[in-house]
Amino acid sequence: AQSVTQLDSHVSVSEGTPVLLRCNYSSSYSPSLFWYVQHPNKGLQLLLKYTSAATLVKGINGFEAEFKKSETSFHLTKPSAHMSDAAEYFCVVSDGDTGFQKLVFGTGTRLLVSP
Amino acid sequence: EPEVTQTPSHQVTQMGQEVILRCVPISNHLYFYWYRQILGQKVEFLVSFYNNEISEKSEIFDDQFSVERPDGSNFTLKIRSTKLEDSAMYFCASTRDRGYTSGNTIYFGEGSWLTVV
Repeated sequence: AQSVTQLDSHVSVSEGTPVLLRCNYSSSYSPSLFWYVQHPNKGLQLLLKYTSAATLVKGINGFEAEFKKSETSFHLTKPSAHMSDAAEYFCVVSDGDTGFQKLVFGTGTRLLVSP
Repeated sequence: EPEVTQTPSHQVTQMGQEVILRCVPISNHLYFYWYRQILGQKVEFLVSFYNNEISEKSEIFDDQFSVERPDGSNFTLKIRSTKLEDSAMYFCASTRDRGYTSGNTIYFGEGSWLTVV
């Protein structure tokens, strides 16, 4: 069964400093991996996705993630945090064979950005 | 930017009552999904729906739950007899295609918060 582990429940950064949100996955298949963001009282928005193409994936709002098979990791990074980045971030894995049919979410990491 | 819309945004219901959560997926999408998030827990897959039938469902999606596409635009989740543990945020989502074809992605609605008292 597929699973993801988000290693930090909360991450605090100052505006303008780098962001690192960590995610490790477990999958018996060649996984597809995603990062979603949820702002307060908003739906889930796709930041980026990895589906067996380039291992470094660029997403919206300056975020990127690198798929590292040897480390079973898919960490999310951003060079410089902005106040508007404060939100909940979810790492998600999908069985590559089922496409979007059944996504498995991590527990989420709350990103706090201080001025 | 296309949107999935959900109603109601928040509903409070008595235990044992029936609840219908409504969703309007994106107009040219063919695959529809429900997920839920109990407060403080992970977002969990409930069910996927295509061509007027369920294509996948999780263990959570028991006989108390049903889904329907009653017309060309709405997609509903019904809980027949609500329990306290059904209190959660329910997310509707839709995709144009099943897999990761070019330009295909999953869009989530803003969620319907259900409180069972």
